[in-house]
Amino acid sequence: AQSVAQPEDQVNVAEGNPLTVKCTYSVSGNPYLFWYVQYPNRGLQFLLKYITGDNLVKGSYGFEAEFNKSQTSFHLKKPSALVSDSALYFCAVRDMEGGSQGNLIFGKGTKLSVKP
Amino acid sequence: DAGVTQSPTHLIKTRGQQVTLRCSPKSGHDTVSWYQQALGQGPQFIFQYYEEEERQRGNFPDRFSGHQFPNYSSELNVNALLLGDSALYLCASSLRGGYSNQPQHFGDGTRLSIL
Repeated sequence: AQSVAQPEDQVNVAEGNPLTVKCTYSVSGNPYLFWYVQYPNRGLQFLLKYITGDNLVKGSYGFEAEFNKSQTSFHLKKPSALVSDSALYFCAVRDMEGGSQGNLIFGKGTKLSVKP
Repeated sequence: DAGVTQSPTHLIKTRGQQVTLRCSPKSGHDTVSWYQQALGQGPQFIFQYYEEEERQRGNFPDRFSGHQFPNYSSELNVNALLLGDSALYLCASSLRGGYSNQPQHFGDGTRLSIL
């Protein structure tokens, strides 16, 4: 079965330090991977995607993600965290089989807390 | 450029009632997907509408049904509400049945509370 795992419920970093939010996936075939961010009482905002090409993907607000096929990972990174980055982050993979092809399978989310 | 809009923002119902949630897709999009996000969980796919037909469905009972109109807007209906239906319901829009390489765009959701 296809799935996405976000092993950390919460990540705490100090402002100005680099941050990493981890994601691993399990899919059949080549994965289409996404990161979304959710602020309180809001919907999901798209950050970046990996479809094909370079393993390092750059996205919105200074975020980037590294696709690693051998480790089936797609970790989200940012060189210097901001307090305003504090939010809930979701990794997702496009469903490639079954009755819901084309839609997204989400991880449980990781709460990022950036302290001043 | 209007994004995805959902109404109402919040809704309170009691067990056994029926509810209708509404979604207008992002301008230029023709496909609407609905997701349920329970507290502390990631969104789970309910179903997708494209060309006014339900094209794909996740693991949700028949109490969950929907509709898409010629202007691409969509409704989600839930009958015989259960306490477990309390969640944030998210609408996402995309192109061409969701098979383009472009990401889905999400609305801010409808918070449904069942008493």
